[in-house]
Amino acid sequence: GENVEQHPSTLSVQEGDSAVIKCTYSDSASNYFPWYKQELGKRPQLIIDIRSNVGEKKDQRIAVTLNKTAKHFSLHITETQPEDSAVYFCAAGFANAGGTSYGKLTFGQGTILTVHP
Amino acid sequence: EAGVAQSPRYKIIEKRQSVAFWCNPISGHATLYWYQQILGQGPKLLIQFQNNGVVDDSQLPKDRFSAERLKGVDSTLKIQPAKLEDSAVYLCASSLDTGAMVAGGQSTDTQYFGPGTRLTVL
Repeated sequence: GENVEQHPSTLSVQEGDSAVIKCTYSDSASNYFPWYKQELGKRPQLIIDIRSNVGEKKDQRIAVTLNKTAKHFSLHITETQPEDSAVYFCAAGFANAGGTSYGKLTFGQGTILTVHP
Repeated sequence: EAGVAQSPRYKIIEKRQSVAFWCNPISGHATLYWYQQILGQGPKLLIQFQNNGVVDDSQLPKDRFSAERLKGVDSTLKIQPAKLEDSAVYLCASSLDTGAMVAGGQSTDTQYFGPGTRLTVL
């Protein structure tokens, strides 16, 4: 089955700096890679996702890059703010846009991001 | 739109007791997932339903865990009997899952999570 490794496990940055979290996956059939943000005691919330037909996607201060050959993808947060402090999870799965989606996601272990004011 | 609802939010039981969790997905969502999230780890899929059929339950400990989704809407997850290592947050998620793209470029595969049920087994 799929295996997702996520690094680093903790990341501490100063407000305004950039943060990068990296994930690798094992199953070359995976084609859908979402990132979730989970604040303490709250539910995971999707912040950005990418499919294997694109190499990069941006949404304001957040970007995700995907290298299918190397089977790794990364989350980039620029101009970090204290409210970005949370646990971030990457995930890998298979989504079929043309038919039934199996949707199963395998999550990484999480990265605790702390942004110091 | 209303989100995924779960109850109870917290549950404390003794080992060997039974417990049940309930999930109400977002209206119209065909696919429902139950995840187990142990403290300090990412969510792990236990079971996935497509309407009222099971798509994947390969990681469900079937000797003690069971789940059903009658009528393809609400779902219940049961643990009987509970063990200490079952202490975790149990997350329910749902997705629309028609395979199409919606406005804004977000896929209908997007999984929306409920608030979870925090289970403590003593």
